[in-house]
Amino acid sequence: AQKVTQAQTEISVVEKEDVTLDCVYETRDTTYYLFWYKQPPSGELVFLIRRNSFDEQNEISGRYSWNFQKSTSSFNFTITASQVVDSAVYFCALSDTGGFKTIFGAGTRLFVKA
Amino acid sequence: KAGVTQTPRYLIKTRGQQVTLSCSPISGHRSVSWYQQTPGQGLQFLFEYFSETQRNKGNFPGRFSGRQFSNSRSEMNVSTLELGDSALYLCASSNALRVDTDTQYFGPGTRLTVL
Repeated sequence: AQKVTQAQTEISVVEKEDVTLDCVYETRDTTYYLFWYKQPPSGELVFLIRRNSFDEQNEISGRYSWNFQKSTSSFNFTITASQVVDSAVYFCALSDTGGFKTIFGAGTRLFVKA
Repeated sequence: KAGVTQTPRYLIKTRGQQVTLSCSPISGHRSVSWYQQTPGQGLQFLFEYFSETQRNKGNFPGRFSGRQFSNSRSEMNVSTLELGDSALYLCASSNALRVDTDTQYFGPGTRLTVL
């Protein structure tokens, strides 16, 4: 069975601090996809990044970066120089190749204080 | 381009009633997925429709059903409502056939309260 674990329930940081959100996943599939979504207070989930199981290259996009390690089944997400607008719930998610049957983690609520 | 729209945005029902929620995907998108979000269980996958066919199904009882029309609009129905069905129901649409090349766009959700 597939499972996504986000052990951090809530994180509170002061603006301009760096913050890393942890994600550990379980799957028996050899091909799978990992995602990060952001859910701001408005409620709509916003797609941030997708990684497939064959691509362990880490990526930096502006203030965001991702660290995918198959050896530890982890897909962590870092925000550099956090801003108040980053305050949201962040979800890590996992999907197999058979369409959009996406399994979400419990989410990490990030508070960024000014 | 208009985003994913869900109607109604808020709904209050009583136990035992049934409810139908609607989702209009982004124009041109053929895949529609439904998710239930509750404080206790988090975000859980309900089902996915592609070209009017259910392609994937989550672990929900048969009281939860859905369908997709030829214009890709989708509806989900919950019969014999229970208090535990109170949740935010999210709809997501996507364009392509493959999850590795496409992105799901989520709607604002329908907040269902069962009294």
